[in-house]
Amino acid sequence: GESVGLHLPTLSVQEGDNSIINCAYSNSASDYFIWYKQESGKGPQFIIDIRSNMDKRQGQRVTVLLNKTVKHLSLQIAATQPGDSAVYFCAENDRNYGQNFVFGPGTRLSVLP
Amino acid sequence: DTGVSQDPRHKITKRGQNVTFRCDPISEHNRLYWYRQTLGQGPEFLTYFQNEAQLEKSRLLSDRFSAERPKGSFSTLEIQRTEQGDSAMYLCASSLSEYQETQYFGPGTRLLVL
Repeated sequence: GESVGLHLPTLSVQEGDNSIINCAYSNSASDYFIWYKQESGKGPQFIIDIRSNMDKRQGQRVTVLLNKTVKHLSLQIAATQPGDSAVYFCAENDRNYGQNFVFGPGTRLSVLP
Repeated sequence: DTGVSQDPRHKITKRGQNVTFRCDPISEHNRLYWYRQTLGQGPEFLTYFQNEAQLEKSRLLSDRFSAERPKGSFSTLEIQRTEQGDSAMYLCASSLSEYQETQYFGPGTRLLVL
């Protein structure tokens, strides 16, 4: 099947700065996207989602942007904190293809003091 | 805690042995999913259930793998004749319904096959 990928495997940011994590997807029929955060030894934790009829969605300190023209998804974290250090995955779903999500390989975010 | 729970959290077994994992989804979630995750990779879909019906299986799910959800609540994933390549984190997720498809994950079961 088609896959989701990430531009950067690792990202280091200073505490208090904003973080941007990017994701490219190849299935133009995908209509639902989720960002997950995974800390070491734990399962993925839901952060924020967006449907294909939107281009931006905001949560608490997080914003997801969707650009369907170039099939690009990004997660912005404002005022990054040490607790944000984790691996971040984007996942896509195409209801016509199946009910499972396709995950990218992940980006490790390291927050420097 | 009303999230997805999995048991055991860790399992070490010898090659050739059978193992069984359990997942308890969030209450009232109709859909339950199993994923496998190897080190440094994202989760890979294995199978999912709508209530007690197993509706989709990945080609990753070989004949040695079987999953059940007999009463539409908890689910079990069994691996027979384990191989070293089965070593991975096995994740369970649940979602409310077909139209509320956000998947919430459990903590996973880490399997090590020696």
